[in-house]
Amino acid sequence: AQSVAQPEDQVNVAEGNPLTVKCTYSVSGNPYLFWYVQYPNRGLQFLLKYITGDNLVKGSYGFEAEFNKSQTSFHLKKPSALVSDSALYFCAVRPDSNYQLIWGAGTKLIIKP
Amino acid sequence: NAGVTQTPKFQVLKTGQSMTLQCAQDMNHNSMYWYRQDPGMGLRLIYYSASEGTTDKGEVPNGYNVSRLNKREFSLRLESAAPSQTSVYFCASSSWTSGMSSTDTQYFGPGTRLTVL
Repeated sequence: AQSVAQPEDQVNVAEGNPLTVKCTYSVSGNPYLFWYVQYPNRGLQFLLKYITGDNLVKGSYGFEAEFNKSQTSFHLKKPSALVSDSALYFCAVRPDSNYQLIWGAGTKLIIKP
Repeated sequence: NAGVTQTPKFQVLKTGQSMTLQCAQDMNHNSMYWYRQDPGMGLRLIYYSASEGTTDKGEVPNGYNVSRLNKREFSLRLESAAPSQTSVYFCASSSWTSGMSSTDTQYFGPGTRLTVL
């Protein structure tokens, strides 16, 4: 079965330190990969996506993600975390033959001052 | 430009009651989606509509019905609410339509928090 895994329920990072939120997937073919962020009591907001080309994708709010085909991973990164980055982050994958997004369970990111 | 709007924001129902969740988008998108979000489970697709006049089941359609009233509006109806339908419901839209490459981004509404007692 096709699936997306976010192995960490929660990630704690000190403000100013680099952050990584992990995502791995099990999907056939060449999928399209997405990261969304959800702030408390808000809807999901698009951060970035990988379609093809450069494995390092830059997105909103200084976030970037690295696509690794051999490891089937798409980890979200930011060089210097801000307290305002604290939110719930979702990885989603769309198989190239399908309209549906397959969602990870989400990772709660907590940035401490 | 409001994007995707949803009403109501909060709702409490008793078991067996019915209600309709409303969703509208002003981005001229072809596709619209209804998801439910439960703790630790990510988002699960209930129904989607690839174009005006068409609807299809997603991963968890049981207990729900939908109507694509026009290109802008996509409603979700619970005919007889059950406690298992307590959740946060999100509507989303995208420019995707059948036959297109599926690289498009989905845009989400603010959600409806539903409690069924």
